[in-house]
Amino acid sequence: GAGVSQSPSNKVTEKGKDVELRCDPISGHTALYWYRQSLGQGLEFLIYFQGNSAPDKSGLPSDRFSAERTGGSVSTLTIQRTQQEDSAVYLCASSLAIGGGTDTQYFGPGTRLTVL
Amino acid sequence: AQSVAQPEDQVNVAEGNPLTVKCTYSVSGNPYLFWYVQYPNRGLQFLLKYITGDNLVKGSYGFEAEFNKSQTSFHLKKPSALVSDSALYFCAVRDADSGGYQKVTFGTGTKLQVIP
Repeated sequence: GAGVSQSPSNKVTEKGKDVELRCDPISGHTALYWYRQSLGQGLEFLIYFQGNSAPDKSGLPSDRFSAERTGGSVSTLTIQRTQQEDSAVYLCASSLAIGGGTDTQYFGPGTRLTVL
Repeated sequence: AQSVAQPEDQVNVAEGNPLTVKCTYSVSGNPYLFWYVQYPNRGLQFLLKYITGDNLVKGSYGFEAEFNKSQTSFHLKKPSALVSDSALYFCAVRDADSGGYQKVTFGTGTKLQVIP
């Protein structure tokens, strides 16, 4: 079946503009995660959704970052008033559920954000 | 708090030789352990996981990993490296004993370079 998809694949924006990044998880996956990967860095956790609610937002770096999920499916990560330090690859992952072996996360190809 | 250490930023190995990518972890309870691979300009691909049972886990592309509880390690191995194995490898851990949601912690990644 289809994997996790993300759009756009690349986004170049000017400092101060708002951007929206989209994630389509694997059908039937109730859990959805956003991560950020800066050049040469590991994965930085941003937010976790279970269904449409976000029980863990602890990784969002500032109030310029927000995310929502609708219909238990598509999620949008919004960055307001972008800064150059927001430049990174934003990765989305989904998993079937939480607990046991079912919470293997499957990743999308990422959105490369460049803030000029 | 849980953590993952990948002590080597880069591993170089000649094609045809065995390879090992090291990972050690720390969790308060029992671990769920994962390996992911990231090819250039791609998202992370799931390789294998340890949940319970046999300490030797076999995964995709001929990779395997051995869970060693006494050494708190989960090293990734392959008997004969291919040039196409060159990529960034991430180890990840989750506390198996916590009910419900528990964040997965990723290591910083190890770049594997297979030399022809």
